Amino acid sequence: EDKVVQSPLSLVVHEGDTVTLNCSYEVTNFRSLLWYKQEKKAPTFLFMLTSSGIEKKSGRLSSILDKKELFSILNITATQTGDSAIYLCAALYSSASKIIFGSGTRLSIRP
Amino acid sequence: SQTIHQWPATLVQPVGSPLSLECTVEGTSNPNLYWYRQAAGRGLQLLFYSVGIGQISSEVPQNLSASRPQDRQFILSSKKLLLSDSGFYLCAWSRQLRAGYTFGSGTRLTVV
Repeated sequence: EDKVVQSPLSLVVHEGDTVTLNCSYEVTNFRSLLWYKQEKKAPTFLFMLTSSGIEKKSGRLSSILDKKELFSILNITATQTGDSAIYLCAALYSSASKIIFGSGTRLSIRP
Repeated sequence: SQTIHQWPATLVQPVGSPLSLECTVEGTSNPNLYWYRQAAGRGLQLLFYSVGIGQISSEVPQNLSASRPQDRQFILSSKKLLLSDSGFYLCAWSRQLRAGYTFGSGTRLTVV
């Protein structure tokens, strides 16, 4: 059965710390790995990673994919309280018809 | 620009009652449409997806059903709700999935 597994399930850090969120996947016909941030309601898109070893960056957030080891990490540097959210990892099938999600990592940033 | 509307935002329904959640997309044609459910503290579970009018793929056997009566309308239904149907329901659309999804604002359903 295809699956996406995220770790840790929850994480509490102090403002200014750097965090690394993990995502591993076992998906037949895999195409891309996606990261989303979910605060109160709808998830918002962060990154889509299709090629191994190419880091994508957006401000203090960065992510990279390893298609050999079947995992991805999301890094957040100099964390702020506004980074508190659930971070969701998802795998896109090569048919491009659907995405399956992991259970998410709940990140809490303490001032 | 494209927008996705989902309603209602919150719903409290008794066990055994019917359900109808609606999702509509504006500003695009022939979108892929999706229904997800998120239980408290859990990830998103894909329930149904549709690549065209009348085309529905079900991912999880359950007492829910979906319909796509029009190109940009996706409806999630149940004839008799169960307590386990409680959760946060999200509709999403994609025109080209390479760009990921765009989600609606969600419906929080509580079955009592």
